[in-house]
Amino acid sequence: AQKITQTQPGMFVQEKEAVTLDCTYDTSDPSYGLFWYKQPSSGEMIFLIYQGSYDQQNATEGRYSLNFQKARKSANLVISASQLGDSAMYFCAMRGTNSGGSNYKLTFGKGTLLTVNP
Amino acid sequence: GAGVSQSPSNKVTEKGKDVELRCDPISGHTALYWYRQSLGQGLEFLIYFQGNSAPDKSGLPSDRFSAERTGGSVSTLTIQRTQQEDSAVYLCASSLGGRVNQPQHFGDGTRLSIL
Repeated sequence: AQKITQTQPGMFVQEKEAVTLDCTYDTSDPSYGLFWYKQPSSGEMIFLIYQGSYDQQNATEGRYSLNFQKARKSANLVISASQLGDSAMYFCAMRGTNSGGSNYKLTFGKGTLLTVNP
Repeated sequence: GAGVSQSPSNKVTEKGKDVELRCDPISGHTALYWYRQSLGQGLEFLIYFQGNSAPDKSGLPSDRFSAERTGGSVSTLTIQRTQQEDSAVYLCASSLGGRVNQPQHFGDGTRLSIL
C-alpha cells in the first residue's frame, strides 16, 4: 500500500518570497514516481512537476522545484518568487509499481492550501 | 491543444435517479482514469482504462457504479440509483500510456449533487 502525508493544512507566503510545501510518502514498491498538482478554486487539477525514484537530480520546472530526499522518503515542493496566482490547493501524489507491474493509480495526499499575500 | 474534456460540468439530480458522466481524453492518450474528490474522503481512484479494457475496477465503490470506454477514446461513468453519498466531484484524467513517468492530465471535473 502507498501513503502520502502532507502535514501542512495551510501555508501563507508573501508575494515574491519562496515557499516549501512538505510531502512525505511510504511505499514498498521498488520504483515509483512522485507528482505535484495545483488545484485553484476554479477546480481544475494542474500537473506541475514529476520526480522519478531513480532520478539522480531533483526535478525543476520554471519556478517549481522538487526537493527529493529518497532516504527520508520526502518530496517537498519549492515555489520560488511566489505570485498571487499561486494561491491554490497543492496535492502531492505518487504512482508505484507492484509485483504485478501495474503502476496506474495515483495516491494523493490531503493537500496544502497556499495563500500568497500581496 | 485540447485538454481533457468532461461533461456536464455540473449535475443536480434526485436520489434514486441514474446519471451518466462523460470524459473525452487528450487525443492520442491510451490510458484513462476516473477519480472522485469529496471533502471527507479526499481524492479516490475509481477505475483505469488502457485502450478499451479496464484492468482494474477495484476502486469502484459499489456495483451501482460502472464505466466503459469505446473506440479507445471517450469514456462514460454511470451511477445507478444515486445516493446522497455519491455527491462529489468526479474527475477524469488521461495519460499518454500507463507508465509511471507519464503524468496524468485532468479535466475540470463534473460536480454531482444528489438531492
